[in-house]
Amino acid sequence: QKEVEQNSGPLSVPEGAIASLNCTYSDRGSQSFFWYRQYSGKSPELIMSIYSNGDKEDGRFTAQLNKASQYVSLLIRDSQPSDSATYLCAVIPYAGNNRKLIWGLGTSLAVNP
Amino acid sequence: GAGVSQSPSNKVTEKGKDVELRCDPISGHTALYWYRQSLGQGLEFLIYFQGNSAPDKSGLPSDRFSAERTGGSVSTLTIQRTQQEDSAVYLCASSRPSGNTGELFFGEGSRLTVL
Repeated sequence: QKEVEQNSGPLSVPEGAIASLNCTYSDRGSQSFFWYRQYSGKSPELIMSIYSNGDKEDGRFTAQLNKASQYVSLLIRDSQPSDSATYLCAVIPYAGNNRKLIWGLGTSLAVNP
Repeated sequence: GAGVSQSPSNKVTEKGKDVELRCDPISGHTALYWYRQSLGQGLEFLIYFQGNSAPDKSGLPSDRFSAERTGGSVSTLTIQRTQQEDSAVYLCASSRPSGNTGELFFGEGSRLTVL
């Protein structure tokens, strides 16, 4: 059973701080990793994708991938109240032609003004 | 439209009735997913269509659930003899045909309430 695990939270950080969200996955052969944000009552939206070991930066967001340790993280710098949402980690395990995403249950983030 | 379109946005039905939920993906997207999300819960995978390949139906919770995708575009999720536990938001997502992508674009969802 391929799994993706996240701490459910809530993770609470003050405005302006760095929020660190973590995700571990069970399939060592996984190649593709994604972070989605879901506001309450809304659909998920993609915020970051990462395919290679190391860091990938996009504005205030940095995704970090460590395949040897089987974890992927998302850092949000200068956190804003508008970042308060649930963050979902998703992984495509190595399974030939089946590109079905495996999802974590999400981490709830609260940024306090 | 430019995004994934789902209809109806809200559906209230009586227990035992059949319902159909429709998803119109982004033009050119060959992959299409249906998910279910209950209040405060994670995404529950239902079914996955990828191009002309046989769909992955491994997430359908019972034989009351079925889905089809006509002409590689519009998809319909059908729930027969609805039960109260079927109440949830049903989300459809599509992605581009490039080889290795989990970059999904979600519709706004169809909220189903079974009385």
